[in-house]
Amino acid sequence: QKEVEQNSGPLSVPEGAIASLNCTYSDRGSQSFFWYRQYSGKSPELIMSIYSNGDKEDGRFTAQLNKASQYVSLLIRDSQPSDSATYLCAVGLIQGAQKLVFGQGTRLTINP
Amino acid sequence: NAGVTQTPKFQVLKTGQSMTLQCAQDMNHNSMYWYRQDPGMGLRLIYYSASEGTTDKGEVPNGYNVSRLNKREFSLRLESAAPSQTSVYFCASSEVGAGYNEQFFGPGTRLTVL
Repeated sequence: QKEVEQNSGPLSVPEGAIASLNCTYSDRGSQSFFWYRQYSGKSPELIMSIYSNGDKEDGRFTAQLNKASQYVSLLIRDSQPSDSATYLCAVGLIQGAQKLVFGQGTRLTINP
Repeated sequence: NAGVTQTPKFQVLKTGQSMTLQCAQDMNHNSMYWYRQDPGMGLRLIYYSASEGTTDKGEVPNGYNVSRLNKREFSLRLESAAPSQTSVYFCASSEVGAGYNEQFFGPGTRLTVL
């Protein structure tokens, strides 16, 4: 079983709709969770971090964490064509530790 | 404030050649990382340095060596390049603290080994 799993997609969403991206992880001791956005040919860019159960909102982005079910999700409201990218989920295995484990990413396409 | 910088941006090597990828950060971060990214494989950690003077192996260290030159710089060396090392290499840095480890990435080096 992979440590961090994401649906590779592609996920296609109409402009203006809500895009929902999901990630599951296997290590119950995981304490830190991140979403990165990666445009084609570019490097990963950190867009959200979440450390405790519940929702965290930043502009059009909301990260949701459920440690009991071992999943973390990212919602993008009012999706724009510029949101078309691959979204990487990353999980820190122990709080404060250096290493992150990345999922393979979900390719999101926003259709005008 | 340039963040994380990497050189070169592109490189083509022949099998058996050696090269060093350079990385520098100006965010005063203690920790630095080298990843490789291959299609369908996601980001995989090669080596990391938790602080100046320390380095540790990641998931895929074979065929690579690293040097943490100072707090700002972390280099990755391929002693004898192989076609399997064709990949995109990313350097990242972070300030690991109680409860957080947000990593910031450089622009990447696209390496082809023929």
